[in-house]
Order: sequence, then structure tokens, then C-alpha cells
Amino acid sequence: DAGVIQSPRHEVTEMGQEVTLRCKPISGHNSLFWYRQTMMRGLELLIYFNNNVPIDDSGMPEDRFSAKMPNASFSTLKIQPSEPRDSAVYFCASSFSGYQETQYFGPGTRLLVL
Amino acid sequence: AQSVTQPDIHITVSEGASLELRCNYSYGATPYLFWYVQSPGQGLQLLLKYFSGDTLVQGIKGFEAEFKRSQSSFNLRKPSVHWSDAAEYFCAVGERPGGYNKLIFGAGTRLAVHP
Repeated sequence: DAGVIQSPRHEVTEMGQEVTLRCKPISGHNSLFWYRQTMMRGLELLIYFNNNVPIDDSGMPEDRFSAKMPNASFSTLKIQPSEPRDSAVYFCASSFSGYQETQYFGPGTRLLVL
Repeated sequence: AQSVTQPDIHITVSEGASLELRCNYSYGATPYLFWYVQSPGQGLQLLLKYFSGDTLVQGIKGFEAEFKRSQSSFNLRKPSVHWSDAAEYFCAVGERPGGYNKLIFGAGTRLAVHP
């Protein structure tokens, strides 16, 4: 089975540019999560979708960040404009929501904003 | 607020030695608990999870963890470490604010294995 797929794996951009990260969840999963990992803050949840609908976006740092899930097999996380402090590893995870749901993580996108 | 503490930032063990990684959580109800492992440049892989029932949980790669409610702990153990176990290990608690598992992660423990 294919796991969670993320692209690109690495992204280097300059401050002020728009960055789009992509995620394809595991087929059949109906929940999708975006996380950010930094040395200072560790792993933190940015946003959670259930059945393509954003349920909890309380972790989205500011208006420069936006996320969409147009269908069950695709999600994007966009940063516009990007800033150096956005440099981090961004993970997408998916699960089948339920009593004992377990999240499965993608390989991550390592973002460097210069 | 829920929280997870992993007291050890770095641990070094010799190959073949036993391993215990500590995890303490703060949670008001019965917690859902997880251990994930992250190899360099990789995503997080689930090692094991506890939802209910037997407090000793077996996972992949020979790992096990024991839930101790009285100590608010969920320590990860392995009887004999292999060089390939060198990685970063994350403990997480799942709180359910709206019917889904919102994972709260610890800061991680980086494991080094000496040959």
C-alpha cells in the first residue's frame, strides 16, 4: 500500500515568495492533518480536516498560512508570503476517524526560506 | 492543558544493551498514548499505541511499552538494541476535543547506538 505522499520533499525559496506544499493521504482515510516540526517548538498541529472540511485550524500561525482539501485525495498547505521563520519540516498525516484512529505520517517537506 | 514530557533529550546505549525511554503525560481522562520513531530525513513511523485493556503493549521492531496510570507514564522498552534503532523517538498523547485524536507530542528523545 502506498503511504502518505508529500511533495516536494525539499523546497528552498526566498522570503516573500509563495510556497505550496502538497499531500496525498492514504486511500480510504477521511481525516488529514498538517503538522510543522521545528527545533524550537517541536511537532505542532497546524490544521485538521475531516471529510475534506477544515475542523480545527487553531494551530495555523497567521493569515499567511492557508490550507485546502478540494477532494479526498489531495490537500495543499500554502504560505504567502513566506518568511525565514517559516523554515521547518512540514508533515502531512492521515487517518480513518473513529474510536481508535491512528495517524500515519508522510515523509515530510523540508522548507528553507532564505 | 495536556502535555507530554520526555525527560531525556539524548540517550546513548551500546548495541545489544537494553533500552528504556521515558514518557510522562498530563491528561485528565484515560489517555490514548502513542510512540513514534523518526529516522533521519524520514517521517514518523508508529511503533505502538495504547487505547485500553492490557497495559503492556507490544509494537513493531521488538519494542514494547507499559502504561502505568499511577505514575502517568508510558515508557518504551526494548531488551536488546540494534544499531538500526538509532533514531529520534516521540511519545504522544491523543486528546479528543471534538471526536478526533489531536496528538500532543513530547520533545523527543534522540537515541544513539554504539557498536
